[in-house]
Amino acid sequence: KNEVEQSPQNLTAQEGEFITINCSYSVGISALHWLQQHPGGGIVSLFMLSSGKKKHGRLIATINIQEKHSSLHITASHPRDSAVYICAAADESYNTDKLIFGTGTRLQVFP
Amino acid sequence: DGGITQSPKYLFRKEGQNVTLSCEQNLNHDAMYWYRQDPGQGLRLIYYSQIVNDFQKGDIAEGYSVSREKKESFPLTVTSAQKNPTAFYLCASSPRQEINSPLHFGNGTRLTVT
Repeated sequence: KNEVEQSPQNLTAQEGEFITINCSYSVGISALHWLQQHPGGGIVSLFMLSSGKKKHGRLIATINIQEKHSSLHITASHPRDSAVYICAAADESYNTDKLIFGTGTRLQVFP
Repeated sequence: DGGITQSPKYLFRKEGQNVTLSCEQNLNHDAMYWYRQDPGQGLRLIYYSQIVNDFQKGDIAEGYSVSREKKESFPLTVTSAQKNPTAFYLCASSPRQEINSPLHFGNGTRLTVT
C-alpha cells in the first residue's frame, strides 16, 4: 500500500461543477502539499497546509490531521482547470526535503 | 521574473552515453531538488542539496550524479549505469526559510534513451 493515496485517479466534469479530490496518507507529516501539473509537464504549487483550511480563488484545500486526510475542492470548474492534481506529504522527520507523492488525479473539465 | 529554467525540454541519447540535464534558478533559494516522474507513479527524489557544495542522495540516486558549485545551478548527470533512464525529470527549489516551504518547479526535461 502506498503511503499517499489519491482518489479518484481520473475525473471528468462539466464546466461549472464542484470538484473534490481526496488524499489519504499513512505517515506522520508536518505539512501536506497540493500541486497542479499542466499537460506540458510543468508543476505549480497550489497549497501547503498543516491544519485547517486554505482558500485561493476557486480552490479550497482542507486537512484533517487526526483522520490523515486532505481534500482539494474546485468550485465552478472551468476547462482551464484541466490538469493533473498531485498531493505530497512532507515526512515529519525531513519536511520539504523528503516529500512522499501521490500518483495524481487527472481532471478533465468539458465546456 | 524569477523562476527555474530546465533545459533542454526534450533530450535524446543513445544507450551507454552520459547526459547532463541543466537546472538554473534565480529565486535565491537555498535548497534544490531533482525528481523523476514515470507514468503511473508519484514523483521520486533523486538528489537534493540544502546548500552550496553539499548534496544528499534521495530514494533513487543510483546511476545519477549531481554538483552544486553555485547557489543558482544544480545540474544532474544521468550516467550509463542508470538501468532505465528514459523518464521525465523535474527540478525544484525551495527557500528553506521555515522547516516547510513551498516548492517551485521547472518545466521539466523529457529524456529518451534508445
